[in-house]
Amino acid sequence: AQSVTQPDIHITVSEGASLELRCNYSYGATPYLFWYVQSPGQGLQLLLKYFSGDTLVQGIKGFEAEFKRSQSSFNLRKPSVHWSDAAEYFCAVVRPMNRDDKIIFGKGTRLHILP
Amino acid sequence: DVKVTQSSRYLVKRTGEKVFLECVQDMDHENMFWYRQDPGLGLRLIYFSYDVKMKEKGDIPEGYSVSREKKERFSLILESASTNQTSMYLCASSPRRGTKLLKMKRLFFGSGTQLSVL
Repeated sequence: AQSVTQPDIHITVSEGASLELRCNYSYGATPYLFWYVQSPGQGLQLLLKYFSGDTLVQGIKGFEAEFKRSQSSFNLRKPSVHWSDAAEYFCAVVRPMNRDDKIIFGKGTRLHILP
Repeated sequence: DVKVTQSSRYLVKRTGEKVFLECVQDMDHENMFWYRQDPGLGLRLIYFSYDVKMKEKGDIPEGYSVSREKKERFSLILESASTNQTSMYLCASSPRRGTKLLKMKRLFFGSGTQLSVL
């Protein structure tokens, strides 16, 4: 079955440090991939998405993600985090070209920022 | 901007009550979804709808039903609420892409309803 794995439940980094959140998917073909962010008390907001083409995608708030087919990964990165980046981050995948397309979410990674 | 509005931010109900969670979107989207979010489990799809009066079961439909009488409104119904349905419920919508295949490129989320069943 298609799945999305976020191996880190919690990550803590210092403000100004770099960040990488891991995401692995299991699917035969190239899926549509997303990263969403959920700030406390809010719904989910789309950070970035990958459908095809350039494997390095830029998103909002200074985030980027790189699709690596050989590793079945779509890791999220930011060179320098800000205190406002503290949130929960969800990786998601859509299986395209099927009538019953669904978006499948990982279990999330909660990011904590140290001052 | 797309707006997805969930009628209640917090809701407290008693076991056995019938509960309605309402969701309205203002961008004429064809697709609407209900997820529940629980710590350590991420988002799990309960039901979704591709069009008015159409509904499809998601991964955890047991104990829930839905109603889509109008395009902009998608209601989640707990026929007889139980304590294990205490959760955060998120509604989402997306446009349909293409006429034959449903390529749901992204979701627009509401702010969520935190339901507590006592």
